[in-house]
Amino acid sequence: SQQGEEDPQALSIQEGENATMNCSYKTSINNLQWYRQNSGRGLVHLILIRSNEREKHSGRLRVTLDTSKKSSSLLITASRAADTASYFCATDANSGYALNFGKGTSLLVTP
Amino acid sequence: DAEITQSPRHKITETGRQVTLACHQTWNHNNMFWYRQDLGHGLRLIHYSYGVQDTNKGEVSDGYSVSRSNTEDLPLTLESAASSQTSVYFCASSAGYQNEQFFGPGTRLTVL
Repeated sequence: SQQGEEDPQALSIQEGENATMNCSYKTSINNLQWYRQNSGRGLVHLILIRSNEREKHSGRLRVTLDTSKKSSSLLITASRAADTASYFCATDANSGYALNFGKGTSLLVTP
Repeated sequence: DAEITQSPRHKITETGRQVTLACHQTWNHNNMFWYRQDLGHGLRLIHYSYGVQDTNKGEVSDGYSVSRSNTEDLPLTLESAASSQTSVYFCASSAGYQNEQFFGPGTRLTVL
């Protein structure tokens, strides 16, 4: 069953603004990953945060993880039109290799 | 450059036909996965493999099968296609435990 749930389902902002997406999950995890999917394309890995980490940065991306609340957030700073995509959080399933994906947040960045 | 490819990219078939979707990766990854993506459901795991001759069922495996005869390929077979299997199918691979997954471009399958 799906582990992660993103919030909001859809987000519309203007270029230059920050975008924040949230992910909640149900059971304990070893790590949480964020992926981006452009329309009609496959998913692309953005960042992985391990359960013993609280915050991680990669370029304009900032991910936080709160294991006590079973939640994570993805912040994209200074958004660009090219950031328009769907964003998914994924948690490791019981097997440890496969991933459980949420339903995604659809981000629209307008010029 | 290493990559993961899927074929065909688009397929239309009829109910009851057998369909095989191909997935080929040149990353030399041991782990390979098949997901389906549907509106309102996100991505759901169908089958996965940790190496040659290893296959495992995922969340939505009914009506699907896979086989792993080499490291590079994990074909997905729909034994008797049903309209409920109309979806976009993604193949992915990863190097090891808790590693990022690399996704193929997807196959859009329509079952009439």
